[in-house]
Amino acid sequence: NAGVTQTPKFQVLKTGQSMTLQCAQDMNHEYMSWYRQDPGMGLRLIHYSVGAGITDQGEVPNGYNVSRSTTEDFPLRLLSAAPSQTSVYFCASSYSWRSRSYTFGSGTRLTVV
Amino acid sequence: ELKVEQNPLFLSMQEGKNYTIYCNYSTTSDRLYWYRQDPGKSLESLFVLLSNGAVKQEGRLMASLDTKARLSTLHITAAVHDLSATYFCALADETSGSRLTFGEGTQLTVNP
Repeated sequence: NAGVTQTPKFQVLKTGQSMTLQCAQDMNHEYMSWYRQDPGMGLRLIHYSVGAGITDQGEVPNGYNVSRSTTEDFPLRLLSAAPSQTSVYFCASSYSWRSRSYTFGSGTRLTVV
Repeated sequence: ELKVEQNPLFLSMQEGKNYTIYCNYSTTSDRLYWYRQDPGKSLESLFVLLSNGAVKQEGRLMASLDTKARLSTLHITAAVHDLSATYFCALADETSGSRLTFGEGTQLTVNP
C-alpha cells in the first residue's frame, strides 16, 4: 500500500525552466491537493481537485497549473520557474472533500536558481 | 478569510515539564487538525477535533477544542526528547472547497 507518492524528491531548476511535479495515490481518494511549505509560514494551498476533471485554485495559484484526468494522478506544473517558487511541495489526498483524514506525500524539495 | 495563528512559534523546554501550544482561528470550522512534522519529513496526523469540548489524548499529548472561543490547545505532559518536532494546527475551510488552512507551526525542542 503506497499511499501518496510524490516524485521527484529533490529538484533543482534554472529560472525560466518548466517542470511537472508528480503526485499519485492508490487509495481511490476523490480529493487531492497541492501545498507549498515555506519557512515560518506553515503550508499554503496551491490547487485542489474534488474529483477527476474538476480542479480549482487555492491560496497561492499563480505560476502553477494542474489537471486531473484520472482519479489517481494530480500533477503540478510549473510553467516558468522563478526563485520565489523555491519551496517544499506536498501533495495530500482524502476520500472526499468532507473527509476527516488527509494523507500527505513525502514532499518534493524544489530549488530554483 | 480564515486565519489561523499559533503561539508560541518556538518552544524550548526541559524533559519532564508540561506546556501548552495554542491555536486561535478567525471563523467557524467543523474540523480542526493537529499534525506533527519532523525535520525533512512529511506531516503526521495526530488528532482531528470535530465538536465543541472535544478532547483527545495520545500518550503525552492531549488536544482540546473550544469552538466558542475559537481556540484549540495541544498540551504536552512530562515532555520527552522524542517529542521534539514542529506541530501544526489546521482547519478545514468549508467555504473554499474544504481546503486546510494551517497555522505557522510551533517548533518544539525538548532538552535533556
